[in-house]
Amino acid sequence: DVKVTQSSRYLVKRTGEKVFLECVQDMDHENMFWYRQDPGLGLRLIYFSYDVKMKEKGDIPEGYSVSREKKERFSLILESASTNQTSMYLCASSPRGRKATQPQHFGDGTRLSIL
Amino acid sequence: QKEVEQNSGPLSVPEGAIASLNCTYSDRGSQSFFWYRQYSGKSPELIMSIYSNGDKEDGRFTAQLNKASQYVSLLIRDSQPSDSATYLCAVAGGTSYGKLTFGQGTILTVHP
Repeated sequence: DVKVTQSSRYLVKRTGEKVFLECVQDMDHENMFWYRQDPGLGLRLIYFSYDVKMKEKGDIPEGYSVSREKKERFSLILESASTNQTSMYLCASSPRGRKATQPQHFGDGTRLSIL
Repeated sequence: QKEVEQNSGPLSVPEGAIASLNCTYSDRGSQSFFWYRQYSGKSPELIMSIYSNGDKEDGRFTAQLNKASQYVSLLIRDSQPSDSATYLCAVAGGTSYGKLTFGQGTILTVHP
């Protein structure tokens, strides 16, 4: 089974702090993704990466950055945390599809509160 | 703007009934279609993938795809209270670096 591990289930930080969310997958997947999920807004893509050191902006990249130095690890960084970044953060990974897009597999999520 | 639309519900069905969840999409080039189940406070879990027109069955779940009409549906037979969750439809094109477009989800409640 695919295992996507997020470093924390719950995290509380203060405004202005630099926050790191870590995600590791064990299936040698090329693609990795960061989403946030808020009530009534659904899943929103923040950033994704299709290869080591490659990154692409998603729909809501403002206030975030990412790092992918190794294939199995994809980090999300909140440069200066703000209260409107309080949310559930979900990491996902998928293999590169040869003929069609493959499904994404999600980690358990990190519920981040910014005070 | 690529869109995936689902009826947000809630959809309420009695235990043992068939639950029917529908999803429409706007991008005619879409080639991959997925259904995820998400329990409250948990992350989405993949339950079905479908790539070709027609039906695909897996246990109590059947996914149906009609590319000409641009809809995909999920049928849950013999619904159980444990099926109560939000069901997310996700769609992808052919060259999207693995990106999926998610619907807002349909809340399903199965009552005893």
